Amino acid sequence: ETGVTQTPRHLVMGMTNKKSLKCEQHLGHNAMYWYKQSAKKPLELMFVYNFKEQTENNSVPSRFSPECPNSSHLFLHLHTLQPEDSALYLCASSQDGGGGYGYTFGSGTRLTVV
Amino acid sequence: EDQVTQSPEALRLQEGESSSLNCSYTVSGLRGLFWYRQDPGKGPEFLFTLYSAGEEKEKERLKATLTKKESFLHITAPKPEDSATYLCAVQPLMNSGGYQKVTFGTGTKLQVIP
Repeated sequence: ETGVTQTPRHLVMGMTNKKSLKCEQHLGHNAMYWYKQSAKKPLELMFVYNFKEQTENNSVPSRFSPECPNSSHLFLHLHTLQPEDSALYLCASSQDGGGGYGYTFGSGTRLTVV
Repeated sequence: EDQVTQSPEALRLQEGESSSLNCSYTVSGLRGLFWYRQDPGKGPEFLFTLYSAGEEKEKERLKATLTKKESFLHITAPKPEDSATYLCAVQPLMNSGGYQKVTFGTGTKLQVIP
């Protein structure tokens, strides 16, 4: 079992729904990340939190809203999504802010927007 | 802009047939190059970090090498359980945002046939 836990594993939502993705790590890591993975595309960095402070918002549309209440938990709040937002959303954590020792990824949430 | 190109896109091997995966990169000063393994329906799993040209790392049937322009992941006598997508990523020495971004390639999907 990975040290990073994501829920739910699968999510189907309509374009007018509001839902949240949850990520939890108990590895003592200080940095947490949201990535989007689409078929045939590289992993796309969305948000970075380092010691609970957001240090990166990679031009992500406002329909995605992150929240990091503490260094162990990370949320991604979703509202009025588009079909092209369907993808695998991955949470990751690392010991240092730069990921120099590699990330620990969760298993992801497979999101389908209908 | 940092770039990572992986080849081939897909590779099919017979069990025991050794081969190599390629990761070509351009980066403004390399802090680290990473290899990850990703199984279907799961998040990437960290394998190696390489820091400087000439460095090599090994893990079971996998050996990663690094030059100033590319990295190879050599797979010796692969087994069916080595089937996965292998991702390469680079991290630059510095960036202005105080956070060191990691750029991923699109991966090589490896299938090992019994």
